[in-house]
Amino acid sequence: GNSVTQMEGPVTLSEEAFLTINCTYTATGYPSLFWYVQYPGEGLQLLLKATKADDKGSNKGFEATYRKETTSFHLEKGSVQVSDSAVYFCALVGNSGYSTLTFGKGTMLLVSP
Amino acid sequence: DAMVIQNPRYQVTQFGKPVTLSCSQTLNHNVMYWYQQKSSQAPKLLFHYYDKDFNNEADTPDNFQSRRPNTSFCFLDIRSPGLGDAAMYLCATSIEAGDTDTQYFGPGTRLTVL
Repeated sequence: GNSVTQMEGPVTLSEEAFLTINCTYTATGYPSLFWYVQYPGEGLQLLLKATKADDKGSNKGFEATYRKETTSFHLEKGSVQVSDSAVYFCALVGNSGYSTLTFGKGTMLLVSP
Repeated sequence: DAMVIQNPRYQVTQFGKPVTLSCSQTLNHNVMYWYQQKSSQAPKLLFHYYDKDFNNEADTPDNFQSRRPNTSFCFLDIRSPGLGDAAMYLCATSIEAGDTDTQYFGPGTRLTVL
């Protein structure tokens, strides 16, 4: 079956530091890949997505590239802000015909001033 | 703004007392989903509707049921809540059910069972 593995958190950074959150996946075929962000007490918001190999998703300074050869979709940001503190979920939708999201366990990011 | 709305944001119920959570959408999407998210865990899909077609996940307990009376509204009914059902319940929608379709989430309802 499909699965997503994320690095465990919390990830603690100072403001303006470089961020990487690793995500690897297992799926048959060519899944679509997503990063969602969840701020404290709120629902999930789509951060970015990529639907085919070598695609780069980007939004709000965050980027992730769909790497088929390494089955990875690592999230990066060049300079984090305190307001980026949240839980980040990597997820995939397999190409089985239904858009059922499989989530990783989430990585908490804490950014200090 | 078009959005996914969940009511209430916080719900407290007693052990065994039925409870209904509500989700509405102004996006006119065909698909609506219900997820359960326990503390510090990933969301887990309970079921989804494609229009009026109901799709239950294999491991969703019988205690959980859902209704979709029209395109805009979807309800989650918990017939006899147990302490283990305390969680955040997330509603999501998507235009279609294809593998590239983005799901849009509501803010969630946090359920407490006393």
